[in-house]
Amino acid sequence: ETGVTQSPTHLIKTRGQQVTLRCSSQSGHNTVSWYQQALGQGPQFIFQYYREEENGRGNFPPRFSGLQFPNYSSELNVNALELDDSALYLCASSLGLAVSTDTQYFGPGTRLTVL
Amino acid sequence: SQQGEEDPQALSIQEGENATMNCSYKTSINNLQWYRQNSGRGLVHLILIRSNEREKHSGRLRVTLDTSKKSSSLLITASRAADTASYFCATALVRGGSARQLTFGSGTQLTVLP
Repeated sequence: ETGVTQSPTHLIKTRGQQVTLRCSSQSGHNTVSWYQQALGQGPQFIFQYYREEENGRGNFPPRFSGLQFPNYSSELNVNALELDDSALYLCASSLGLAVSTDTQYFGPGTRLTVL
Repeated sequence: SQQGEEDPQALSIQEGENATMNCSYKTSINNLQWYRQNSGRGLVHLILIRSNEREKHSGRLRVTLDTSKKSSSLLITASRAADTASYFCATALVRGGSARQLTFGSGTQLTVLP
């Protein structure tokens, strides 16, 4: 167990809808990163939040947005869902900003299916 | 695009055999990490090797890094059925001070047959 939880486990939405995915980081972890993992692929970086501010973003459109709260929880919001958004969404928390050296603790993921 | 690419894409071995997976990457790195993922669940950090290290061991895991060839390998010795999982290498590209994102390869699916 990594101490990172995500909810819900599975979610089914239709194209055009909006979705909110939640992550609860380890206590004391100021950094949370979100990744999208399509079937059969490696995770792709969406964005990172550090102390409630976005601190880096991958190649994802603005309809992917996030929030981080003082209680070490965070959200990933996706608007205007598209079929290609179907994937496993992973959050990862760490103590500091340096993902190259700080161990990333991943949650079990939320499986999103867009019909 | 993926920074790292694992080879082979899939590997099937008998319990007790050794499993070797390779990873190639494209740009200079500070270090390289290996992760394990069980059947579409979260990733678990296995081992980190720094760019100035050539080899590192952790239990039954042995990782090598060749920065001149931009490649790394993960060796799992005396494999067990419980080692069945996907294995990913990940690199961090340093921009403006600290690396903010991990870039993963497409993974090797390892199946260990009992």
